[in-house]
Amino acid sequence: GDSVTQMEGPVTLSEEAFLTINCTYTATGYPSLFWYVQYPGEGLQLLLKATKADDKGSNKGFEATYRKETTSFHLEKGSVQVSDSAVYFCALRWNQGGKLIFGQGTELSVKP
Amino acid sequence: EAGVTQFPSHSVIEKGQTVTLRCDPISGHDNLYWYRRVMGKEIKFLLHFVKESKQDESGMPNNRFLAERTGGTYSTLKVQPAELEDSGVYFCASSVQGGSGNTIYFGEGSWLTVV
Repeated sequence: GDSVTQMEGPVTLSEEAFLTINCTYTATGYPSLFWYVQYPGEGLQLLLKATKADDKGSNKGFEATYRKETTSFHLEKGSVQVSDSAVYFCALRWNQGGKLIFGQGTELSVKP
Repeated sequence: EAGVTQFPSHSVIEKGQTVTLRCDPISGHDNLYWYRRVMGKEIKFLLHFVKESKQDESGMPNNRFLAERTGGTYSTLKVQPAELEDSGVYFCASSVQGGSGNTIYFGEGSWLTVV
């Protein structure tokens, strides 16, 4: 079945460091791909998305490119801030109105 | 515009008791989903309503869980009787009908602790 695999956390970085959180998926075809973020004590928020191969999603300095060759959607940010500390979830969505399938989440902690 | 709202935000109940979680989706959203995250693991799909009909309930763990969506508006998720392993965060989400790229909006979650 379809699945999403993320790099294990927790990931601890210093402020202004470069961030990469790896995400790969298994699916037959080309689903839409998403990154959601959960800040401490809050709900899930959509961070960015890409709906077809080679699309790049971006928001708040974060970027991810839909790579069909490597079935990946890695999340990157050039300079993280303490306020980026959160749990990040990669997800795919297949058909019209269908459910999201999530990875296990990666906790990011950014130290001053 | 109001987002997806969930109630209660936190609940602590004893094993064997009943809890009912409520979700109000964004107005006009036909799709309503329930998910849960147990003990820091992945977020797992529970079920999907389209209006008042259950489109996909493949993620419901067992018959102790009952979900309803009255008149295609708000939804409730009842756990009866609750077990220790039911502890976790229950997320409700909603979206408009349409393609796979449409955004699914999540509520802040109902944090359930069974003791």
